[in-house]
Amino acid sequence: GAVVSQHPSWVICKSGTSVKIECRSLDFQATTMFWYRQFPKQSLMLMATSNEGSKATYEQGVEKDKFLINHASLTLSTLTVTSAHPEDSSFYICSARASYNEQFFGPGTRLTVL
Amino acid sequence: EDKVVQSPLSLVVHEGDTVTLNCSYEVTNFRSLLWYKQEKKAPTFLFMLTSSGIEKKSGRLSSILDKKELFSILNITATQTGDSAIYLCAVMSGSEKLVFGKGMKLTVNP
Repeated sequence: GAVVSQHPSWVICKSGTSVKIECRSLDFQATTMFWYRQFPKQSLMLMATSNEGSKATYEQGVEKDKFLINHASLTLSTLTVTSAHPEDSSFYICSARASYNEQFFGPGTRLTVL
Repeated sequence: EDKVVQSPLSLVVHEGDTVTLNCSYEVTNFRSLLWYKQEKKAPTFLFMLTSSGIEKKSGRLSSILDKKELFSILNITATQTGDSAIYLCAVMSGSEKLVFGKGMKLTVNP
């Protein structure tokens, strides 16, 4: 089956620093990737849709200047949390669209901002 | 606004029991309904349903969709402790975005 990886799987950073999370589709090309955030005991919330070669589409309430998304190739999308604060601590999950209707999830990245 | 509602939100059963998880939805331009199992990390795919009335089965798990009544159920028979997880229902709309329900936490006790 299609495999999506994320790196890092776990990161701790100081408040005010920026953190980059990578999402890669390992055995397929993904023109569209999605970034989700999941707070403890809550469901996944879509943050943005990342399209290869164009700007990401952000969901209402998600600050595009804070959560920078780059989809530079058909196998890689990155999410950069800029000037991270403790309230940004969360579980960030990406998914990649392999074909019509199919999305495969990465293993997630646990971000803790001190 | 697209909405997915799961019930119950939490369930505790004994090994061997059968459980039924419910998912109702309201979305614009429905494309498909998906069930995921989430343990400690990201969700793992269980089923994708696009047509009404056609049951999908995988081992002890099965699922069916009713597009007229806008709901789906996920059945787990002869539950095992390894079935303990959060089960997520998600619906894909015309915009290809997945809208998730809050999830159902299943605990299977030995």
